[in-house]
Amino acid sequence: DAMVIQNPRYQVTQFGKPVTLSCSQTLNHNVMYWYQQKSSQAPKLLFHYYDKDFNNEADTPDNFQSRRPNTSFCFLDIRSPGLGDAAMYLCATSDRTVAPDTQYFGPGTRLTVL
Amino acid sequence: AQSVTQLDSQVPVFEEAPVELRCNYSSSVSVYLFWYVQYPNQGLQLLLKYLSGSTLVKGINGFEAEFNKSQTSFHLRKPSVHISDTAEYFCAVSDRDDKIIFGKGTRLHILP
Repeated sequence: DAMVIQNPRYQVTQFGKPVTLSCSQTLNHNVMYWYQQKSSQAPKLLFHYYDKDFNNEADTPDNFQSRRPNTSFCFLDIRSPGLGDAAMYLCATSDRTVAPDTQYFGPGTRLTVL
Repeated sequence: AQSVTQLDSQVPVFEEAPVELRCNYSSSVSVYLFWYVQYPNQGLQLLLKYLSGSTLVKGINGFEAEFNKSQTSFHLRKPSVHISDTAEYFCAVSDRDDKIIFGKGTRLHILP
């Protein structure tokens, strides 16, 4: 089945230690998104890629970076995680050629910062 | 600017009873509306979406929603809930700029 895969499902890191979360998709969608979701809150968009074009949300901290080396993969890098960065991180994809953009989500990676 | 308001943060319902989860939106342009469900420790799954046409939209798992433009609402309904419907439900709006604005979510508790 075509899907959005996130690895790992659970990630533990130490305060200040860089961490990378991974997302891959078999849907061949041209848009990939990263969201941060804290407990009992709505997902918050961090940034998205349309093909290779990177679109950062204005309020996304510089501590968060992203890479998309090819259509299938997208990475979220947190350069110096703080305790406030503990959250569920959701990857999603959509196909801009299909109107409107309906997003398909991966299962998420729960990040714990010690 | 768009926004989504989910009026209830939690809704308790007895099993096999009907349920309605309320959602209101505001937007200055035509919008597309979505309901997503999130089971514990999982990602979001699309339940249904309104694009255009019929205002009554049927989705998966027996859910449906009705788009009401005059009341700017998109309430989600199910005639008979099951214990497996226990989850968080998010209403969302998009105006085709590649972004979805989510509501704060409604936690559905199914009581035995």
